[in-house]
Amino acid sequence: AQSVTQLGSHVSVSEGALVLLRCNYSSSVPPYLFWYVQYPNQGLQLLLKYTSAATLVKGINGFEAEFKKSETSFHLTKPSAHMSDAAEYFCAVSDESPGNQFYFGTGTSLTVIP
Amino acid sequence: EAQVTQNPRYLITVTGKKLTVTCSQNMNHEYMSWYRQDPGLGLRQIYYSMNVEVTDKGDVPEGYKVSRKEKRNFPLILESPSPNQTSLYFCASSVRGKGYNEQFFGPGTRLTVL
Repeated sequence: AQSVTQLGSHVSVSEGALVLLRCNYSSSVPPYLFWYVQYPNQGLQLLLKYTSAATLVKGINGFEAEFKKSETSFHLTKPSAHMSDAAEYFCAVSDESPGNQFYFGTGTSLTVIP
Repeated sequence: EAQVTQNPRYLITVTGKKLTVTCSQNMNHEYMSWYRQDPGLGLRQIYYSMNVEVTDKGDVPEGYKVSRKEKRNFPLILESPSPNQTSLYFCASSVRGKGYNEQFFGPGTRLTVL
């Protein structure tokens, strides 16, 4: 069974500071991992994904994530937070099982303080 | 523009009054899915469809029906809505039912059942 744990339902950072959003997964098979962002009153938008190629994945808007198998983690980072980064972030895991089901974490709400 | 559309975006109804939320995608995707988003629970899959006339249950299918008569459309039907179905609903689609394919999400439908 697949599952994702996002530590910290709310994270606040100052503008210009490092953003670190944590995601740990549980999977019995090699996983595919995704980060999505949800801005207020909008749907989910893909930030980046890991599909067993490079372990350091770069996404849109300056975000990146590193797949660490030994730690079963896929934390999302951005060197310098911008006000426009304030949103809800979801980590998701999937595999090759029928149904292409994504298992989502409970989300982390990012607040950027000016 | 490649997109997933949902209608309506907002809906307030009463217990027991049948309703349908439409979902349409213009990307010729084989796979489509419905999720509900609830605070503290993240997104949970309701139903999915691997192709036309092929549908299957996700994690929380009780009280919902779907159909896939055309490739582009995947309506969600609540035949007798109840207050516990008050939620934010998302439709998603992807190229194929493979775990490494990202899902594209619609803008969401906020449903309130009184």
